[in-house]
Amino acid sequence: GAGVSQSPSNKVTEKGKDVELRCDPISGHTALYWYRQSLGQGLEFLIYFQGNSAPDKSGLPSDRFSAERTGGSVSTLTIQRTQQEDSAVYLCASSLAGGPAKNIQYFGAGTRLSVL
Amino acid sequence: AQRVTQPEKLLSVFKGAPVELKCNYSYSGSPELFWYVQYSRQRLQLLLRHISRESIKGFTADLNKGETSFHLKKPFAQEEDSAMYYCALTEYGNKLVFGAGTILRVKS
Repeated sequence: GAGVSQSPSNKVTEKGKDVELRCDPISGHTALYWYRQSLGQGLEFLIYFQGNSAPDKSGLPSDRFSAERTGGSVSTLTIQRTQQEDSAVYLCASSLAGGPAKNIQYFGAGTRLSVL
Repeated sequence: AQRVTQPEKLLSVFKGAPVELKCNYSYSGSPELFWYVQYSRQRLQLLLRHISRESIKGFTADLNKGETSFHLKKPFAQEEDSAMYYCALTEYGNKLVFGAGTILRVKS
């Protein structure tokens, strides 16, 4: 079927506003990851969901960032009170939990966030 | 801490020339190493993983545990190889730790 789907593809917001970014993983993939791609910092891990386990939030840069995954499928990354330094491309990836393809992460096209 | 180093930000070669993109890592366990590629206006995609030991699009990479390296090589570069290449590692299917990336530019 389709690959990892992210929406919106572009988001322009004003400083101080909240934004929600959505990720629809590949069907059957139980692991879901969020990364941030920015010019100064490269590709950074943000958060990881695996099945019903507690998420690994160790990469979230501040408490303004949060993410949830409903029903083990769609995930939403929320950034509250956006700052200009949040401007980046936010990437979502998903993978299988087992089998030979385990550990291969498939990426979405990303959401380009611009905070004015 | 896990760390992946790609020393070159930009590698420029002529078509037909050999290519080697360097990657070194620091990790105390037994990570899995990958090369991901991002072509212009396309999403990030897997190129190689070390456990597969295969050649993709003419590229190969060998894990050298003694030197903690996973360099990407291709004997004859093609213009369509121009892209951003990221070396990355993971353990137990957890997060990927990426290097800073190397832009490969193949000139005609």
